[in-house]
Amino acid sequence: DTGVSQNPRHKITKRGQNVTFRCDPISEHNRLYWYRQTLGQGPEFLTYFQNEAQLEKSRLLSDRFSAERPKGSFSTLEIQRTEQGDSAMYLCASSLGTIGREKLFFGSGTQLSVL
Amino acid sequence: QQQVKQSPQSLIVQKGGISIINCAYENTAFDYFPWYQQFPGKGPALLIAIRPDVSEKKEGRFTISFNKSAKQFSLHIMDSQPGDSATYFCAAMSSGSRLTFGEGTQLTVNP
Repeated sequence: DTGVSQNPRHKITKRGQNVTFRCDPISEHNRLYWYRQTLGQGPEFLTYFQNEAQLEKSRLLSDRFSAERPKGSFSTLEIQRTEQGDSAMYLCASSLGTIGREKLFFGSGTQLSVL
Repeated sequence: QQQVKQSPQSLIVQKGGISIINCAYENTAFDYFPWYQQFPGKGPALLIAIRPDVSEKKEGRFTISFNKSAKQFSLHIMDSQPGDSATYFCAAMSSGSRLTFGEGTQLTVNP
């Protein structure tokens, strides 16, 4: 499978716990994006990387959220001290930088439920 | 701050009919306008996209119409099929940075 892979697919946690999600982009893609989607809404941009550099962060990305892409390949998104309002689908996407940078390929997401 | 507004929120069409979804944007710096299709439990998948230098783009049964002066664009699905039942999102991008999505349209095609 050469698509964008996200793990885990589902995560249930208690309020106040920390959670970490992983995204493996398409192998030759150097751009990686994180989005959040709540039920009945369009995906909302959180942050994106070009290689290992984090180029842009949304105001939605509070100080409880941190994303990394240490070697320019896979990425992790960590949420500290989770709140019920963090419950959402977290989507990862990748694209080929410069030529093709606009064509985002999405993974199937990680569904987070905070109890 | 909603930069891309999409309508209708839901749409029901008979098999063989035409589905039309509309979007309007505010930011004149947007230079790439894709449409994504999303099935339950899946991430969005790119369907078709257009740049503002053309007024229409067609790929199979899917057509984007673009009106730069009105800052509007729309998706037409010809000969709609039950398999087209999904949620459709318009989006916009400026200079290859982030994609901004509309709120989505849930399309149901009845057999």
